Amino acid sequence: NAGVTQTPKFRVLKTGQSMTLLCAQDMNHEYMYWYRQDPGMGLRLIHYSVGEGTTAKGEVPDGYNVSRLKKQNFLLGLESAAPSQTSVYFCASTPPGTRDGYTFGSGTRLTVV
Amino acid sequence: AQSVTQLGSHVSVSEGALVLLRCNYSSSVPPYLFWYVQYPNQGLQLLLKYTSAATLVKGINGFEAEFKKSETSFHLTKPSAHMSDAAEYFCAVRANAGNNRKLIWGLGTSLAVNP
Repeated sequence: NAGVTQTPKFRVLKTGQSMTLLCAQDMNHEYMYWYRQDPGMGLRLIHYSVGEGTTAKGEVPDGYNVSRLKKQNFLLGLESAAPSQTSVYFCASTPPGTRDGYTFGSGTRLTVV
Repeated sequence: AQSVTQLGSHVSVSEGALVLLRCNYSSSVPPYLFWYVQYPNQGLQLLLKYTSAATLVKGINGFEAEFKKSETSFHLTKPSAHMSDAAEYFCAVRANAGNNRKLIWGLGTSLAVNP
């Protein structure tokens, strides 16, 4: 049981390049989330999904797009990377039960130069 | 709106000393509360959660937290710190608006354990 798997783990992009971060969960969770973590700013929600085929904006959605074509996968895209998007990105998922916490992936460390 | 405040962005204790990490929340309805731990270069891991059952909640690695409604607090404690407890700790409250299971996060407290 792998839980939540994020790929890649590390990436360096040049300004203006695009990339997709993949989050895959094998727990049949309905809800999935993308966060970015920056020093002193805690976790900030980028986008989230409440089920297959749905997405919604979080606190800091600008410059990112997402897709949830399959229940187990949640993709985060950067169309034109900027240095301000240098961060550690975390994916999390949770089942429908309101008492459950999140299961997190191990993160993707992205540097935009 | 719900919010979470973690008092002290950095806490330093000696090995064997009591660990106390503070978390205060605001919520208009009975909350679900969570503590997560993040070890260096890793994702977040659930330590414990309060979901309206017992007010004293025991978690992994010897940690526990007490829900105090009158103080709107959910402080995390451990009687005796170990070097391996050095990590970032996050408190979170379940947002009760909407059907999205969103968590509202504190900014985190970095715990250092000195030998």
